[in-house]
Amino acid sequence: QVQLVESGGGVVQPGRSLRLSCAASGLTLSPYGMHWVRQAPGKGLEWVAVIWYNGSKKYYADSVKGRFIITRDNSKNTLYLQMNSLRAEDTAVYYCARDITSTIDGFDIWGQGTVVTVSS
Amino acid sequence: QSALTQPASVSGSPGQSITISCTGTSSDVGGYNYVSWYQQHPGKAPKLMIFEVSNRPSGVSNRFSGSKSGDTASLTISGLQAEDEADYYCSSYASSNLYVFGPGTKVTVL
Repeated sequence: QVQLVESGGGVVQPGRSLRLSCAASGLTLSPYGMHWVRQAPGKGLEWVAVIWYNGSKKYYADSVKGRFIITRDNSKNTLYLQMNSLRAEDTAVYYCARDITSTIDGFDIWGQGTVVTVSS
Repeated sequence: QSALTQPASVSGSPGQSITISCTGTSSDVGGYNYVSWYQQHPGKAPKLMIFEVSNRPSGVSNRFSGSKSGDTASLTISGLQAEDEADYYCSSYASSNLYVFGPGTKVTVL
């Protein structure tokens, strides 16, 4: 079964860190760009970050630049998002998604999402 | 604040056709053919319906079609069905902030 499975979400205090993982099964991530997308409660989708297929380039939304780091381990078929200096406005469902190309285009496979709540 | 604009809601009766617009600028929708559309049912992950303006992924019904004119992209759903009731998001490559989603459009089947 082709799927992406996120993990690592939870409740965290403002200013603390959290690391999300996205493990792939039934598919190989290495040829594809990978993204994180988030959705705050009752709100729309917000693109967070992308990493090129080989990890050579990474780009971030202005709202997370300097605080979040996207990485990947193609040998483990896994994507990561290190989230530092978390704020209340980072509270959201975080989805990982596979790009249809090696860089950036449309996202054809999505995980089920993991919930991050930033609260004291 | 999204850089793209979509109508908040669109509705139609079963069997009818509806069109959702997505307006940007020459720095995103108008400047590149990297416009995608996603369908999201409540509590579910988004699903890719259209990529590169007008291409349908395998498995997506041909009732869904995409187009673009200038800075505005459009998603048309023909032969509207109850299962099409969902939120729809456009997205685009953007020169300023790389990738942007629209605010979403709620489609209601009357």
